[in-house]
Amino acid sequence: AQTVTQSQPEMSVQEAETVTLSCTYDTSENNYYLFWYKQPPSRQMILVIRQEAYKQQNATENRFSVNFQKAAKSFSLKISDSQLGDTAMYFCAFMRGLYNFNKFYFGSGTKLNVKP
Amino acid sequence: EAQVTQNPRYLITVTGKKLTVTCSQNMNHEYMSWYRQDPGLGLRQIYYSMNVEVTDKGDVPEGYKVSRKEKRNFPLILESPSPNQTSLYFCASKPGLASTDTQYFGPGTRLTVL
Repeated sequence: AQTVTQSQPEMSVQEAETVTLSCTYDTSENNYYLFWYKQPPSRQMILVIRQEAYKQQNATENRFSVNFQKAAKSFSLKISDSQLGDTAMYFCAFMRGLYNFNKFYFGSGTKLNVKP
Repeated sequence: EAQVTQNPRYLITVTGKKLTVTCSQNMNHEYMSWYRQDPGLGLRQIYYSMNVEVTDKGDVPEGYKVSRKEKRNFPLILESPSPNQTSLYFCASKPGLASTDTQYFGPGTRLTVL
């Protein structure tokens, strides 16, 4: 079974600073995909960034980047130049890679508070 | 506007009274899925569907039923709700089964079972 662990229930960061959210996962599969989702107070789920396990290069989307360590099964999210609008719950998610298995597994979430 | 809609958005009911939460998408997506979100547990997948008449269990299917008779609709049915099904429910869809497809989420349904 796949598990996703987010060990930081809550974090705070000052506006304009950098913060890193941790995520580890457990799987025996070699092909899979990892995601970070953001859930602001509106409760809407928004995809932040995606990483394919077969790609060694870390994904980047503007101020958001990941540190993907496949051997360590670690997938952390770095937010640079934090903005007040980044205040949200962040979920790490895992998706099995085989075409017939589109099952998703989410972590318990990290609540990020960006302070002015 | 491309979207996933859920109804109702809020529902308070009593134990044992059958209910259905509807989910509809207007993007012609093949894949649809239901999740529940609980504090400290994140999102857990209940059921998913890869196309019309093709459904499969997620991690927590007990107490739920789904059907996919049309591509756009994927209702979640609670035949006999119990208090432990009090949760925030999300429907989601994505174009197909490719890993690069982005999953679009509905606005959520807050269900309370008394």
